[in-house]
Amino acid sequence: AQSVAQPEDQVNVAEGNPLTVKCTYSVSGNPYLFWYVQYPNRGLQFLLKYITGDNLVKGSYGFEAEFNKSQTSFHLKKPSALVSDSALYFCAVRDALGSSYKLIFGSGTRLLVRP
Amino acid sequence: DAGITQSPRHKVTETGTPVTLRCHQTENHRYMYWYRQDPGHGLRLIHYSYGVKDTDKGEVSDGYSVSRSKTEDFLLTLESATSSQTSVYFCAISDGQVPYEQYFGPGTRLTVT
Repeated sequence: AQSVAQPEDQVNVAEGNPLTVKCTYSVSGNPYLFWYVQYPNRGLQFLLKYITGDNLVKGSYGFEAEFNKSQTSFHLKKPSALVSDSALYFCAVRDALGSSYKLIFGSGTRLLVRP
Repeated sequence: DAGITQSPRHKVTETGTPVTLRCHQTENHRYMYWYRQDPGHGLRLIHYSYGVKDTDKGEVSDGYSVSRSKTEDFLLTLESATSSQTSVYFCAISDGQVPYEQYFGPGTRLTVT
């Protein structure tokens, strides 16, 4: 079965420190992987994606993600966290079994950056 | 959220009543999706559309129906609302040109009492 897991419900980090939000996946075929962010009372916003190519993907707001095929992981990272990064983060993987470009989302990780 | 609106943004309704949520897009995208967001579950796909009058079920479709009579509008109907359908509902769109990249509306918070 295709799935994506975010093992941490919440990640706490001090402003200025590096942050990592974890994501692992299980898919058929080549994984297409995504990170989205949700700020309070807003819809999800696209951050970055991995389709093919370089394992380190750079996205919006200084975020990057590292694709690791052997560990089936796609962790979201940022070298220096900001208080404004506090939000809910979702990892997603394409549903390769069907068409219509469906995504399968993880349960989300709440990032709290303290001043 | 540009190009995608959802209405209403908030609704409180009673158990057993029908409810219709509307998603409207101005992007002329082919694909549209309805999700529900619940704590601990992330986003789960309810129904999706791959064109006018072309729809299919998602992961959690029981108790929901959809219609798409125009490219720009995708309606989600709760046929007889239940308390388990209290949730935040998101609409998303995709043009298929950048496969799998979806753009989300602002959401509708539905409370069923």
